[in-house]
Amino acid sequence: GAVVSQHPSRVICKSGTSVKIECRSLDFQATTMFWYRQFPKQSLMLMATSNEGSKATYEQGVEKDKFLINHASLTLSTLTVTSAHPEDSSFYICSARAGTNTEAFFGQGTRLTVV
Amino acid sequence: LAKTTQPISMDSYEGQEVNITCSHNNIATNDYITWYQQFPSQGPRFIIQGYKTKVTNEVASLFIPADRKSSTLSLPRVSLSDTAVYYCLVGASAGGFKTIFGAGTRLFVKA
Repeated sequence: GAVVSQHPSRVICKSGTSVKIECRSLDFQATTMFWYRQFPKQSLMLMATSNEGSKATYEQGVEKDKFLINHASLTLSTLTVTSAHPEDSSFYICSARAGTNTEAFFGQGTRLTVV
Repeated sequence: LAKTTQPISMDSYEGQEVNITCSHNNIATNDYITWYQQFPSQGPRFIIQGYKTKVTNEVASLFIPADRKSSTLSLPRVSLSDTAVYYCLVGASAGGFKTIFGAGTRLFVKA
């Protein structure tokens, strides 16, 4: 299947700082990318949907000023957690689709720990 | 988006066939059914997708009855490495398919 790469796989940051996570589609052009967060023993929670060249659509309850999403090209989307706090510690996962009639492929996830 | 219901957990033994059923009573006409597998601290991995009847690939089969209100993922001869969480998703492939995850089924394969 298609390859989606996330970077970094793990990051530890201090409270109050910002962290950027990258999601790249390596062998296809992703018109749509999704960002999720997952807490231990829980399912994935969709945070936002981003389409290349347009603003992301955030799910209810997700602060768009805190979780900045940029999808500037067909192969790269970034999620920036601004002014991170310990409660933002989680597993963040991205996925990408080549088109509306294709399945989504997922990155390997990023473990964020805010201390 | 159609809501899905799966068993929370299942146990099996190596070499057995495992069937995980997902209920999706309000599936829409243009909805597809997709199953993903997730190991701890990894992103989900696509297993199989179908619309109706039966779909088979190298790792699994997906059975969908005529009314499409449920589906069954069948894993033949599971091994310890199949221990994972399995998610059933239902959504339209056309016109903006948001991949929404339900609770999933935690499969534990024992030796």
